[in-house]
Amino acid sequence: QYVLTQSPSASATPGQRFTISCSGGSPNIGGNNVYWYQQVPGTAPKLLIYRNNQRPSGVPDRFSGSKSGTSASLAISGLRSDDEADYYCASWDDNLSGVVFGGGTKLTVL
Amino acid sequence: QVQLVQSGAEVKKPGASVKVSCKASGYTFTSYYIHWVRQAPGQGLEWLGVINASGGNTNYARKFQGRVTMTRDTSTSTVYMVLSRLRSEDTATYYCTRDDDYSGNYDYWGQGTLVTVSS
Repeated sequence: QYVLTQSPSASATPGQRFTISCSGGSPNIGGNNVYWYQQVPGTAPKLLIYRNNQRPSGVPDRFSGSKSGTSASLAISGLRSDDEADYYCASWDDNLSGVVFGGGTKLTVL
Repeated sequence: QVQLVQSGAEVKKPGASVKVSCKASGYTFTSYYIHWVRQAPGQGLEWLGVINASGGNTNYARKFQGRVTMTRDTSTSTVYMVLSRLRSEDTATYYCTRDDDYSGNYDYWGQGTLVTVSS
């Protein structure tokens, strides 16, 4: 029931580079900016990437974002155990006139 | 420092209404928009709508139109969200969050307010 599509879960090992994808359409990702959030259970989401590929101050450069057409990706390099969290993509949707989210990707760092 | 502080947890019966507040501080209140996002237990994020803190104009998600009302009080830098005709599926944590536009660029979040709907 989420407008943006993400894989629900993934696992990776410490030190690895890992990519989370987010697929949408022309009304959302295709025509608007993409935002990425990290959420540790029990806490509010935290902005990781804004306007497709910009990092807020304080977010390590291990996190990077990209967008191509109607898809976007969040890459995490040098995975650490504290990167274990849920990751969400978001974008404005011109047809729905609202913000739409992906269903989230639960990343487990083994 | 920027802060969004929300009101406390609520327990409501089906059919009732809930009012959640979000008090902003540390920035010029009228320069930003406040969005409301909810998260049901174990589920993802869902957008409810947005209010322009300056003009007070609102934009609600179609799913909630007719049931949600967002208002603001510029004298206290507080935004209010009322959700009416509650049902069990509305049980969720409700977050207010700051954006510089209608975009999804949420740089600061409230701590969340758990609303439980139960008979």
